[in-house]
Amino acid sequence: EIVLTQSPATLSLSPGERATLSCRASQSVSSDLAWYQQKPGQAPRLLMYDASKRATGIPARFSGSGSGTDFTLTISSLEPEDFAVYYCQQRSNWPYTFGQGTKLEIK
Amino acid sequence: EVQLVESGGGLVQPGGSLRLSCAASGFTFSSYDMHWVRQGTGKGLEWVSAIGTAGDTYYPGSVKGRFTIFRENAKNSLYLQMNSLRAGDTAVYYCARAAAGTGNPDYWGQGTLVTVSS
Repeated sequence: EIVLTQSPATLSLSPGERATLSCRASQSVSSDLAWYQQKPGQAPRLLMYDASKRATGIPARFSGSGSGTDFTLTISSLEPEDFAVYYCQQRSNWPYTFGQGTKLEIK
Repeated sequence: EVQLVESGGGLVQPGGSLRLSCAASGFTFSSYDMHWVRQGTGKGLEWVSAIGTAGDTYYPGSVKGRFTIFRENAKNSLYLQMNSLRAGDTAVYYCARAAAGTGNPDYWGQGTLVTVSS
């Protein structure tokens, strides 16, 4: 099973700042990595797929990069609605797995 | 509009069984892979099962042999039969549609809570 490790566990930033979230895989997942956003009491929302492609309706301030084992989700300028938990997820090998999440909180 | 509505959650004793249902609408259900993903209270996300359009199924080791995913395309419905339930299976269970071409869930239901406790 591929283990995804996200860092940091918690990120405290202010609106307007840039956020950089990391995800490292225990073995190569090529570009088969996605990012999700989850707010309290809600289902996850697909943000990025294939490491760098934005899902439908996702604002351009969200971008993804990386391949192999190291990936990054960047939010260029934080909006108040961006504060949430973010998960990375791989679909390279079954079982698909998620990272443990990064909580993005308001500083 | 794509909608996924789960039902069937509730309180069950350890060793018991439960069947979850997911009613799909707003898309051609038979053309999409479907997934179940769960989340324990205050915890992260865990894949529970997946089923392809051809009926091929996938399970992680934690539920293999205990859970069965199946679909009824004529009813636009997805199911998860859960047997030999354990306390560790307590979670919100989400039904999710896999995006065409990528396999990543792009639409999710609101979830149904399963509590395994005596």
